[in-house]
Amino acid sequence: AQSVTQPDIHITVSEGASLELRCNYSYGATPYLFWYVQSPGQGLQLLLKYFSGDTLVQGIKGFEAEFKRSQSSFNLRKPSVHWSDAAEYFCAVGATGNQGGKLIFGQGTELSVKP
Amino acid sequence: ETGVTQSPTHLIKTRGQQVTLRCSSQSGHNTVSWYQQALGQGPQFIFQYYREEENGRGNFPPRFSGLQFPNYSSELNVNALELDDSALYLCASSSGGGSHEQFFGPGTRLTVL
Repeated sequence: AQSVTQPDIHITVSEGASLELRCNYSYGATPYLFWYVQSPGQGLQLLLKYFSGDTLVQGIKGFEAEFKRSQSSFNLRKPSVHWSDAAEYFCAVGATGNQGGKLIFGQGTELSVKP
Repeated sequence: ETGVTQSPTHLIKTRGQQVTLRCSSQSGHNTVSWYQQALGQGPQFIFQYYREEENGRGNFPPRFSGLQFPNYSSELNVNALELDDSALYLCASSSGGGSHEQFFGPGTRLTVL
């Protein structure tokens, strides 16, 4: 079955420090992969997506992610974190077959930013 | 371009009641997906509607039902509410059934007492 694992429930980084959020997926073929961000009480905002091609994808707000098929990973990175990046981050994989456009989400990683 | 909107923002119901949540899709989108997000969890797929037909369903009981209208807006109906139905309900719109690039609304917070 398709699944997504985000091993880190909560991460704290200092403002200006680099960030890497981990995501591992289980999928039988080349997946569609996404990172979303959610501020408290809000909906989800798409940060970036991978469908095919270049394995390093750029997103909004200075985020990037790298698809590594050999490791079944799609980690999110940012070189310098800002206080406004504090939020919940979700990795998701797009299902196929009779599941239509179903997205399967990980449990999320909560990011805190220290001043 | 108008984004995805949902109503109401918050809702409080009692166990056994029925509820209807509404979603207007983003301009140009013909597909709507619904997700349930329990506190501290990732969203769980309920179902998707494409051109007014159900196009995939997650592991939710039949008391969760939906509709999509000719203007591509959608409703989520939940009958016989249970305490565990308390959650944030998210609607997402996209272009084309099966498309995975989904744009989410702000959600409806449902509390069941």
